[in-house]
Amino acid sequence: TAGITQAPTSQILAAGRSMTLRCTQDMRHNAMYWYRQDLGLGLRLIHYSNTAGTTGKGEVPDGYSVSRANTDDFPLTLASAVPSQTSVYFCASSDASGMTDTQYFGPGTRLTVL
Amino acid sequence: GQNIDQPTEMTATEGAIVQINCTYQTSGFNGLFWYQQHAGEAPTFLSYNVLDGLEEKGRFSSFLSRSKGYSYLLLKELQMKDSASYLCAVADSNYQLIWGAGTKLIIKP
Repeated sequence: TAGITQAPTSQILAAGRSMTLRCTQDMRHNAMYWYRQDLGLGLRLIHYSNTAGTTGKGEVPDGYSVSRANTDDFPLTLASAVPSQTSVYFCASSDASGMTDTQYFGPGTRLTVL
Repeated sequence: GQNIDQPTEMTATEGAIVQINCTYQTSGFNGLFWYQQHAGEAPTFLSYNVLDGLEEKGRFSSFLSRSKGYSYLLLKELQMKDSASYLCAVADSNYQLIWGAGTKLIIKP
């Protein structure tokens, strides 16, 4: 199985433009997550979804939005990109929500905002 | 606030043993994870501890002391492919993972 896929692999985006990062999992996991990873910092949670139809805000949600229309897909949208959103973005999923369970990560999207 | 501390970088020799420490202060505790992340790749799961003590899995072992807010990852018989960053993460009272910045492990021949 593919596990979790993310697209695009990398992107250069002009400030002020919008963009959607795609994430799809084929493990039928309930919970999905979006993180950003910046040099010298730990992974920071942007948004999460415990089950299809629900979403929640993480530690750094400002400037980002998500939707969870079905179990498999969890897109992340930047409405108007700013240079501080330059980062590597990881999507992850886990089988359980509301309890501790191992998270599995996609390959990441490297985004540069100029 | 919530805080996870790990050394930024460590160097070890091929064939040797290395211990990577992690200390944490979080609002609640629902388990501690160790992940491995090679440069330019995604984090991959290594171990999970929720009770005090040592969990052994091949060349890798992970230890937890909840009273001390402390864990370590022990890597034995180091191989060049073990060169990577090692991430410590704690599940807080809301079951959300709080991540350390990671320890970059450099293996020298």
